Order: sequence, then C-alpha cells, then structure tokens
Amino acid sequence: NAGVTQTPKFRILKIGQSMTLQCTQDMNHNYMYWYRQDPGMGLKLIYYSVGAGITDKGEVPNGYNVSRSTTEDFPLRLELAAPSQTSVYFCASSYLAGNQPQHFGDGTRLSIL
Amino acid sequence: DQQVKQNSPSLSVQEGRISILNCDYTNSMFDYFLWYKKYPAEGPTFLISISSIKDKNEDGRFTVFLNKSAKHLSLHIVPSQPGDSAVYFCAASARQSSGDKLTFGTGTRLAVRP
Repeated sequence: NAGVTQTPKFRILKIGQSMTLQCTQDMNHNYMYWYRQDPGMGLKLIYYSVGAGITDKGEVPNGYNVSRSTTEDFPLRLELAAPSQTSVYFCASSYLAGNQPQHFGDGTRLSIL
Repeated sequence: DQQVKQNSPSLSVQEGRISILNCDYTNSMFDYFLWYKKYPAEGPTFLISISSIKDKNEDGRFTVFLNKSAKHLSLHIVPSQPGDSAVYFCAASARQSSGDKLTFGTGTRLAVRP
C-alpha cells in the first residue's frame, strides 16, 4: 500500500527553468492538495482538487499550475523557476471532505539557484 | 496573518513525563482541528483530530483538548517516549465555508530525553 508517492525527492533548478513535480495516490481519494513548506513555517496550500477535472487555487498559487486528468495523479508545474520557490513541496490526498484526515507524501525538496 | 499559531518552537521533556503542545487560532469559523507529526525527510502523519462540537478526544497516549471560548487547543502525550521526538503541527479547517482546506501552524519541535 504505497499511499501518496511524490517524485523526485530532490531537485536543483536554475532560475527560469521549468519542471513538473509528480504526485500519485493509490487510495482512490477524491481530494488532492499541494503544499509548500518554507523553513520555520507551516505548510501553505498552493492548489487543490476535489476530483478529476476540477482544480482551484489555494493560499499561494502564483508561479504554479496544476492539472487533474485522473483520480490518481495531480502534477504541479513550475513554468519559470524563481529563487522564492525554493521550498519543500508536499502532496496530500483525502477521501472526502469532512472528518477525513489528509494523507501526505514524503515531499520534494526543490532548490532554485 | 497567522490564523493558527504555535508559539513554542521547541519543547524538551523527559521520557515518561507528560508533553503538552499548545495551539491558538483566530478564525472563529474553524470547526475541525488536527494534529500532525512529522519526522525529518518524511511527510506529516495524521495523529489525532477533534471536531468543534467536542472538547476532548483521546486516542491511546494522545489526548487533544479544545477550548472554543479561548480559541485554544492542546495536545497531551502521556507518557512521552523517545520515539515521540518529532515536529508537531496543529492544523484547522472551516468545513462549512472552505471545505477541507487546512491552515497549519508553524510547528513545535518536541524532544523527549531518555
């Protein structure tokens, strides 16, 4: 039972490069989320999805894009990497809204130089 | 605007004693609260939750207390064990208005001394 899987675990990008952070879950969860965690801070919501084909912005969406073509996958795209996007990125999923805790992947540590 | 606050960045407790981690919130619309535990290089793991209709929820060594009038919740771990050493995040959601979106505190690093 893999749960939520994120790839890659680490990545270094140059300013202006683009990349996609992958996230897949095998729990048939409807809801999926992307968070970023900066040093000494809590997790901040970037984007979320309540089901395939439906996405919405969170607290800090600027500089990112997402898509949700399947229930399992929720990739996060950085189009023009900036140093301010250096962070640890966590993907999470949950079955339904309400009394259902979110399950997290192990994160992608991204450095923009 | 930090809607969920964990004012103690760190806490050190001796093994076998009680650990008390605190969390304050400002948004009166929050109606569901969770505690997550995080080890280095891993994602947060759900620990325990409480709905705003309750004031206490217990699961083994872990108990969460909610004081709505004070907008305060706490996590009690008793007895504390070395394996409990981790960063603990408090999180809250306003399910009626914002669905499942969580707002996280900045975390408290707990160290349990043998």
